[in-house]
Amino acid sequence: DAGITQSPRYKITETGRQVTLMCHQTWSHSYMFWYRQDLGHGLRLIYYSAAADITDKGEVPDGYVVSRSKTENFPLTLESATRSQTSVYFCASSEAIWTGDSYEQYFGPGTRLTVT
Amino acid sequence: GQQLNQSPQSMFIQEGEDVSMNCTSSSIFNTWLWYKQDPGEGPVLLIALYKAGELTSNGRLTAQFGITRKDSFLNISASIPSDVGIYFCAGQLWAGNNRKLIWGLGTSLAVNP
Repeated sequence: DAGITQSPRYKITETGRQVTLMCHQTWSHSYMFWYRQDLGHGLRLIYYSAAADITDKGEVPDGYVVSRSKTENFPLTLESATRSQTSVYFCASSEAIWTGDSYEQYFGPGTRLTVT
Repeated sequence: GQQLNQSPQSMFIQEGEDVSMNCTSSSIFNTWLWYKQDPGEGPVLLIALYKAGELTSNGRLTAQFGITRKDSFLNISASIPSDVGIYFCAGQLWAGNNRKLIWGLGTSLAVNP
């Protein structure tokens, strides 16, 4: 099925554990993004990627690592999970239109992560 | 980080009523996007606006890009129960040279059947 998918949809992990959230898109979009959503904070950008092997920090990157070896995948890793990283994580993608006319981002269904 | 001022924060209305929400900023934007998020799902794009003064409709939804480029509003006419959710505005700064969006904190809409 075409689109953007995230896995797992739900994850419970312990403090200090490493956990990786997966994101896969079938549109061949150049840009991909990771957000976290918390009550009172809305959507906050963690990292984004303009293309394979090109990543950059967003608003709240500390404690997270990303990689993008293939255009379609953009995994997010919490190297040593903390309770403050309990959140809902959304992946999004955006097509690269070099006229600059499109900034539309399309979101996955989210991963609800609980760190105990 | 920079954020948009989105209001109201929440609304509780009767089915059939019209709804209006808006986003404002002190900065100039070249793009405004409106999203809706259903419970347990990711945000879904409703309307995209790219020109100052632009008025765009999508069914019962109408959005406008403010003339000053610093604001946008979203109207929903004749609300129905499935309009329930959180509505977000997002904007691309005029001087931005990347794909990062600035997000509002959302308007939570409840509709009483």
